[in-house]
This record gives sequence, structure tokens and C-alpha cells, in this order.
Amino acid sequence: DAKTTQPPSMDCAEGRAANLPCNHSTISGNEYVYWYRQIHSQGPQYIIHGLKNNETNEMASLIITEDRKSSTLILPHATLRDTAVYYCIVRIGGTSYGKLTFGQGTILTVHP
Amino acid sequence: DVKVTQSSRYLVKRTGEKVFLECVQDMDHENMFWYRQDPGLGLRLIYFSYDVKMKEKGDIPEGYSVSREKKERFSLILESASTNQTSMYLCASTGTSGLAKNIQYFGAGTRLSVL
Repeated sequence: DAKTTQPPSMDCAEGRAANLPCNHSTISGNEYVYWYRQIHSQGPQYIIHGLKNNETNEMASLIITEDRKSSTLILPHATLRDTAVYYCIVRIGGTSYGKLTFGQGTILTVHP
Repeated sequence: DVKVTQSSRYLVKRTGEKVFLECVQDMDHENMFWYRQDPGLGLRLIYFSYDVKMKEKGDIPEGYSVSREKKERFSLILESASTNQTSMYLCASTGTSGLAKNIQYFGAGTRLSVL
């Protein structure tokens, strides 16, 4: 799995968009970008994933650059409950088993 | 929604006890995983299973065993608990087709303390 780099921490005001960046410059053509988050003392939660097109679901949007070397997770209207550690993971598609490797992630703190 | 249920949120056990951690998923997923999570070490895979009665060692299987007698249930067993097994234990499952493929769904975790 390709290595990812994320800022260690970010702050965001409640109601504003939170934009979380991730660098994955060594990503290969068959690797997808996945985002998970982990709220304190809970299990990780899947958010979204994509290959090369931008993706949106009820939780977030994922913007992947054209060269696929970086991506941004967007929480359009952050709430206090979005305070969590956010993990960007790059994995080969087509494999349904195999461990997830979480890096250090980004600690997002949403302020009132 | 996918639901992965771990039997306990918190457990306190004594050194040498046999400990069972249970995990049940309701999405008919083929693959199930047990991880432990420790500060500064991230997630580490203990064991995984890709079918009933099948199991594969992960990165840190020593001191653990698993059981998968039914598709929906994956149990982690600490044969003789030790203090260095104090940790957060996370169960996950994933399907092999469709939207569930490659997405690991996690339980809420079991925080185990071994005294």
C-alpha cells in the first residue's frame, strides 16, 4: 500500500467546511484512496473512497487531483461531533481482505 | 446499515485468565478481522478469517487464537491473559463483492485491561 502524509492536526469552526489534505505521491494506478475517522474511544468509521473521480456521499466529499498524488476530504458543514482523528489510506482495489494500515492521521478539532 | 457488534465495551481480567472476545456482523460478510490498537502503534492485525473455519495469522498472532464456527461470528481468545495484552481490541468485517468490497466496517471496540 502506498504511503500517505497528513498534517498532524487541524482546527475548524462549527458550521464551516473542514478540508483535510492527504499526500500520496507514490500511488499506483490500481490503488484507491480511502478515508476513515475514529472518534475518541470508538471503532474506526468508513467515510468515503475513490479512484480518480471526485466522490460525494452523505458524509463528505472527496477531491482527488488529476495526477492522483494528493486528495482532500471535505466535510461541508462541520459539527462538534466531527471532532475525530481522520485517516487517509491508499489500498489496491480488487482485494477484499488484507489489513488496513492506519498512519498517524489528522486530529480534527471542531470549535463552537 | 452494516452492524458489527462486539460483546463488551470494557473488560477487566486478571493475569492468567482465559479471555473470550466475541464479534458478530449482520451483513453476511465473508471476511472478518481482529486488530489491536495501542497509542503510537496504530492498528495491528492479529488474525483474520476469509471463510467459516478458515483463519490466517496477522502481524501479531502470538498469545492469541481465533474461532469462526459460523459466518457471522468471529471470536478472539486470549489463552492466558498477560498485562501486555492490555489494549483496545477492534473487530472488522468486509464483503467480497459490490459496495462492501474493500470497505472494512468496525465494531465499537473492547477496551481490555489485564491486571
